[in-house]
Amino acid sequence: NAGVTQTPKFRILKIGQSMTLQCTQDMNHNYMYWYRQDPGMGLKLIYYSVGAGITDKGEVPNGYNVSRSTTEDFPLRLELAAPSQTSVYFCASSGGSNYGYTFGSGTRLTVV
Amino acid sequence: DQQVKQNSPSLSVQEGRISILNCDYTNSMFDYFLWYKKYPAEGPTFLISISSIKDKNEDGRFTVFLNKSAKHLSLHIVPSQPGDSAVYFCAASRKEYGNKLVFGAGTILRVKS
Repeated sequence: NAGVTQTPKFRILKIGQSMTLQCTQDMNHNYMYWYRQDPGMGLKLIYYSVGAGITDKGEVPNGYNVSRSTTEDFPLRLELAAPSQTSVYFCASSGGSNYGYTFGSGTRLTVV
Repeated sequence: DQQVKQNSPSLSVQEGRISILNCDYTNSMFDYFLWYKKYPAEGPTFLISISSIKDKNEDGRFTVFLNKSAKHLSLHIVPSQPGDSAVYFCAASRKEYGNKLVFGAGTILRVKS
């Protein structure tokens, strides 16, 4: 039972490059989320989705885009990487209200 | 505006003793609270939760207490074990928020053997 799988685990980007962080879950969860964690800070919500075809902005969406074409996949796109996007990114899924999240193991991104 | 605050960045406890991790929140509309545990290089894992209609929830060595009037919750770990050493995040949600969680900054717990 894989749960939530994130790839890649590590990535170094140059300023202005773009990349997609992949996230897939095998629990048939409707709710999926992208968070970022900066040192000494809590997790901040970037984007979330309540089902295939439905996405919405979280607290810190600027510089990112998402899509949700299937229940399983929720990729996060960085179009023009900036040093401020250096962070650890976590994808999570949930079965619904008041259900705990299942998190992936994270992607550590460095923009230089 | 930090709606969920964990004011202690770190806590050190002797093995076998009680660990108490604290969390304060500002939004009185939150109706569900959770604690997550995170080891290095891993994602957070769900530990325990409590609904706003309760004031205590217990699961083995872990107990969460909720004081709504003070907008405060705490996680008690008894007895503490070295394997409990991790970062603990407090999180809160409101039903109308679509299960979006608001996280605190985390507290690093070190249990010394």
